[in-house]
Amino acid sequence: DAKTTQPNSMESNEEEPVHLPCNHSTISGTDYIHWYRQLPSQGPEYVIHGLTSNVNNRMASLAIAEDRKSSTLILHRATLRDAAVYYCILSRPVPGNQFYFGTGTSLTVIP
Amino acid sequence: ETGVTQSPTHLIKTRGQQVTLRCSSQSGHNTVSWYQQALGQGPQFIFQYYREEENGRGNFPPRFSGLQFPNYSSELNVNALELDDSALYLCASSGTLSGGVYNEQFFGPGTRLTVL
Repeated sequence: DAKTTQPNSMESNEEEPVHLPCNHSTISGTDYIHWYRQLPSQGPEYVIHGLTSNVNNRMASLAIAEDRKSSTLILHRATLRDAAVYYCILSRPVPGNQFYFGTGTSLTVIP
Repeated sequence: ETGVTQSPTHLIKTRGQQVTLRCSSQSGHNTVSWYQQALGQGPQFIFQYYREEENGRGNFPPRFSGLQFPNYSSELNVNALELDDSALYLCASSGTLSGGVYNEQFFGPGTRLTVL
């Protein structure tokens, strides 16, 4: 299985940037890097994904190391609604684009 | 557009029983994946169905089985329930499967199974 390693928990003050790290040293050339987040009593929801280049969307930015063995999810201004468990996930396209979740980082946002 | 729905929301069974969980995929999606999430853990991939065929399986025993129907809805069946099967079972649907192409997965809210 493709493995990811994340800190168990992090804290951030509201309206400050948050950098959530992820190590994935066993990543292969065709693995995508995904970030999903899970609010209490809900299924995970998509945040962002990338393959080799840094990515930006309206929710966040994804910075991928040049050797692809680590990545960082950046929330530019944390809000209370961003408090969730953030999962860094690798997927292998064959067979079936399977997602391999780690244990995730529980983000606490302090008002 | 209707999202992914799962039923039931909660279920209590006893050891040795059998259970069937159901998932309706998002409109236009033909791929369904099932995950098991134990308390405090990340989801673990069980298997995936694409156009009614199993298309990949994680490290789960054969008593975990599934089906996908022509409308792309899906069932997860678990036989001979064990205490460790107590978990949140998540279903996720995604669009047309194409090797090497990214497909976002849309998750349902899950079914909480408790085995006593």
